[in-house]
Amino acid sequence: IAGITQAPTSQILAAGRRMTLRCTQDMRHNAMYWYRQDLGLGLRLIHYSNTAGTTGKGEVPDGYSVSRANTDDFPLTLASAVPSQTSVYFCASSALMGGEAFFGQGTRLTVV
Amino acid sequence: ELKVEQNPLFLSMQEGKNYTIYCNYSTTSDRLYWYRQDPGKSLESLFVLLSNGAVKQEGRLMASLDTKARLSTLHITAAVHDLSATYFCAVDMATSGTYKYIFGTGTRLKVLA
Repeated sequence: IAGITQAPTSQILAAGRRMTLRCTQDMRHNAMYWYRQDLGLGLRLIHYSNTAGTTGKGEVPDGYSVSRANTDDFPLTLASAVPSQTSVYFCASSALMGGEAFFGQGTRLTVV
Repeated sequence: ELKVEQNPLFLSMQEGKNYTIYCNYSTTSDRLYWYRQDPGKSLESLFVLLSNGAVKQEGRLMASLDTKARLSTLHITAAVHDLSATYFCAVDMATSGTYKYIFGTGTRLKVLA
């Protein structure tokens, strides 16, 4: 049972480099989400997608972009990484809009 | 703007004791979720509360929802060390037909033997 798979699990990235975090789900969920988790700030929504072909901005979208070419994949791209993007990134999905969300194992990203 | 606040942020308690974690949110929502996160791990769904007055229990944890007060509680009964984790509540918010989950900052629980 895979559920949601994120890759890589961790990464050290030089500032200014481009990076794509991958997220794949096998539950055929319509909705997918990207969160970042920072100590003392909880989880903050970066971008979300209702369904394949549509995306929307969350609370902290600047510096990030997403695409949703199909139901299963929802990659998150940092066009030019900065140290403030050092965080743990979680991908999540839900079957129904507003239903229970399921989370991937997270990607720990360090930008130096 | 929907805001979700949890308190306390940190909780250290002795085994066998009872305690309650509170989750307040700022705008109308009928659905609230509780998650558990162990250090370095992902979030695990604990409870889904879908209506006013909903109460759910699993083991030593019981969650309730009062939508009129915009308040959910997570009650811990006779705490054991295995309950040590960070607990998050989340509320979903509908905007233009889209639902987004907004999380509280979390309550880090440490149960002392």
